[in-house]
Amino acid sequence: GQQVMQIPQYQHVQEGEDFTTYCNSSTTLSNIQWYKQRPGGHPVFLIQLVKSGEVKKQKRLTFQFGEAKKNSSLHITATQTTDVGTYFCAGGNTDKLIFGTGTRLQVFP
Amino acid sequence: NAGVTQTPKFQVLKTGQSMTLQCAQDMNHNSMYWYRQDPGMGLRLIYYSASEGTTDKGEVPNGYNVSRLNKREFSLRLESAAPSQTSVYFCASSRVGASSGNTIYFGEGSWLTVV
Repeated sequence: GQQVMQIPQYQHVQEGEDFTTYCNSSTTLSNIQWYKQRPGGHPVFLIQLVKSGEVKKQKRLTFQFGEAKKNSSLHITATQTTDVGTYFCAGGNTDKLIFGTGTRLQVFP
Repeated sequence: NAGVTQTPKFQVLKTGQSMTLQCAQDMNHNSMYWYRQDPGMGLRLIYYSASEGTTDKGEVPNGYNVSRLNKREFSLRLESAAPSQTSVYFCASSRVGASSGNTIYFGEGSWLTVV
């Protein structure tokens, strides 16, 4: 079945450093979505990418969708303590989304 | 506007007991989902319902049953709880199927412990 893997599983950074998480699917995706989950909270939608090679930005966050539509990345520039949480990618090619394993980000002041 | 509401928030069960997690959404969404979240495992889809009257298995359906009672409500039942079902359960909904690019909205989660 379809699998979505994310790396790294866990990352510590110093506030102000950059952070990147990578997402890889075993199959071609119709779209990819990114979610953020704060500790003790529920996942919250960040963005969706649909087109091959698409790049979208939200303030300090940059999202990319690979040319083959099988991988994606999220890059955060100059992390802040408010960026703490787990970031999930989720890929869709049927009626359901398959979530990646997530990358837990810890930011030290 | 409550969004997705699930109950109970916390539950402790003994092995072999049964229980139902309730979920309701007030966004007039067609699709609903149940996920479980375990440390290091991300979110795994248990069952989903693409529309009222239909249900389909996800990645980890064994030990669970679901009912799409009406457009608003989608319940998850554990018939005979096992310690391996200790997890955080999230109900979610989307306007139409997630592959159509629709955002999934999550409930706040139900923390279930089976002893």
